[in-house]
Amino acid sequence: AQKVTQAQTEISVVEKEDVTLDCVYETRDTTYYLFWYKQPPSGELVFLIRRNSFDEQNEISGRYSWNFQKSTSSFNFTITASQVVDSAVYFCALLHGSSNTGKLIFGQGTTLQVKP
Amino acid sequence: EPEVTQTPSHQVTQMGQEVILRCVPISNHLYFYWYRQILGQKVEFLVSFYNNEISEKSEIFDDQFSVERPDGSNFTLKIRSTKLEDSAMYFCASREDRGDGYTFGSGTRLTVV
Repeated sequence: AQKVTQAQTEISVVEKEDVTLDCVYETRDTTYYLFWYKQPPSGELVFLIRRNSFDEQNEISGRYSWNFQKSTSSFNFTITASQVVDSAVYFCALLHGSSNTGKLIFGQGTTLQVKP
Repeated sequence: EPEVTQTPSHQVTQMGQEVILRCVPISNHLYFYWYRQILGQKVEFLVSFYNNEISEKSEIFDDQFSVERPDGSNFTLKIRSTKLEDSAMYFCASREDRGDGYTFGSGTRLTVV
C-alpha cells in the first residue's frame, strides 16, 4: 500500500524563524517520485519540487531546502528565515513510478502560519 | 509557461442538478486527471484518463461521475445529480509522460446548495 503521512497538522512560527515540515511515505516500489506543493489561501496548488527515488541529493532553492532520506522514507522540507508570505498549506505527495495512471497520493497537509 | 485552464472558477448549483466542470490541459500532454479537495481536507484522486479512456478511477468516482475529452483539447468532469457532499474544490491536472511533474489547474470551487 502507498501512503503519505504528514504528522504535523499545524505549525506556527514567528517571521525569520526556520521551520521544517515532515513527510514520511510508504511504498513497495523501487521507482517512485515525491513532490511538495504549496496551497496558499487562494486555493491553487503551486508546485515546489519533484524528486525521483534514485536521486537522494538534497536540494536547495533560495530559502527552501529538501532532505530526502530513503533509509527513513522521509522527504522533509525546510524553510529558512520564514516570511509571512510562506503562510499556506503544504502538501507532500507520492507518485507511483511504474503505474500507467501516475496518480498522486497526497498527505493530509501541514498548515503553516508565519506571524509577523 | 503553459498552463492548465479550468472554468468556471466557482460554481454554485442546486442539489440534484447536473454540473460540468471544464478543463483545457496543456496541448502536448498525454495523461489527464481530476482530483477533489473537500474544504480543509487533503487532495484526493478521482480519475485518470489516457488514450481516450479511463485508466483508473477511485471509489469516489461512482456512476454519478463521468469524464470526456470531446474535441482533443477540452477535458470535462460531469456530475449527473449533485449531492451536498460533492461540494469541494475540483482540480484538473495533466502530465506529459511518466514521471514528469504534474501541472495543476487553479481549480473549480463547486458549491452544492
